[in-house]
Amino acid sequence: QSVLTQPPSVSAAPGQKVTISCSGSSSNIGNNYVSWYQQLPGTAPKLLIYDNNKRPSGIPDRFSGSKSGTSATLGITGLQTGDEADYYCGTWDTSLSADVFGTGTKVTVL
Amino acid sequence: QLQLQESGPGLVKPSETLSLTCTVSGASISSSSYYWGWIRQPPGMGLEWIGIIYYSGRTYYNPSLKSRVTISVDTSKNQFSLKLSSVTAADTAVYYCATRKYSSFLLDFWGQGTLVSVSS
Repeated sequence: QSVLTQPPSVSAAPGQKVTISCSGSSSNIGNNYVSWYQQLPGTAPKLLIYDNNKRPSGIPDRFSGSKSGTSATLGITGLQTGDEADYYCGTWDTSLSADVFGTGTKVTVL
Repeated sequence: QLQLQESGPGLVKPSETLSLTCTVSGASISSSSYYWGWIRQPPGMGLEWIGIIYYSGRTYYNPSLKSRVTISVDTSKNQFSLKLSSVTAADTAVYYCATRKYSSFLLDFWGQGTLVSVSS
């Protein structure tokens, strides 16, 4: 049972925008940086966003991150079929003294 | 380029100890910039953080696994290892090793993952 809650799935047509929420608490998201990971089928997760809103080199600006209070959001614009994947948020939980992942969200391109 | 490679048995019997090693190339495991971590993913399920270790030996573990987990570092071989004791079928998963930035939750390099099945 994860301490970070994400919607199980989101979907949109090609070219459209989706947002994925990640809800936590003051012991995790509220006081720590959030990162996001994309997991394509059969592959290892890949870092998409770190420190709430920064993109590693090579990640297109179609992917964006934000944080407000105890929630974080990943946005994907200009949706492409190659974006179909599972997406996970994560952060440090100060109370647990442990890193925690979100429950994961499956993105489907209609 | 930093690379990670998991290795170990793909099949473990119930009640025994799962042992995996992650070999690091392209960086020193004594780097002050990283923790070295393990994450797992049961078939069809989400990611579960197992724990991390700093080169000094300092560790942090998932509270739900803490009583069964040991992560260690071998600086002479540039490797780190995972041991999970008293395994059950619920421990069947793909196990990943990854680098975790010292300063923030940021897993930037991952191994390809290795499937470990628990079965008699």
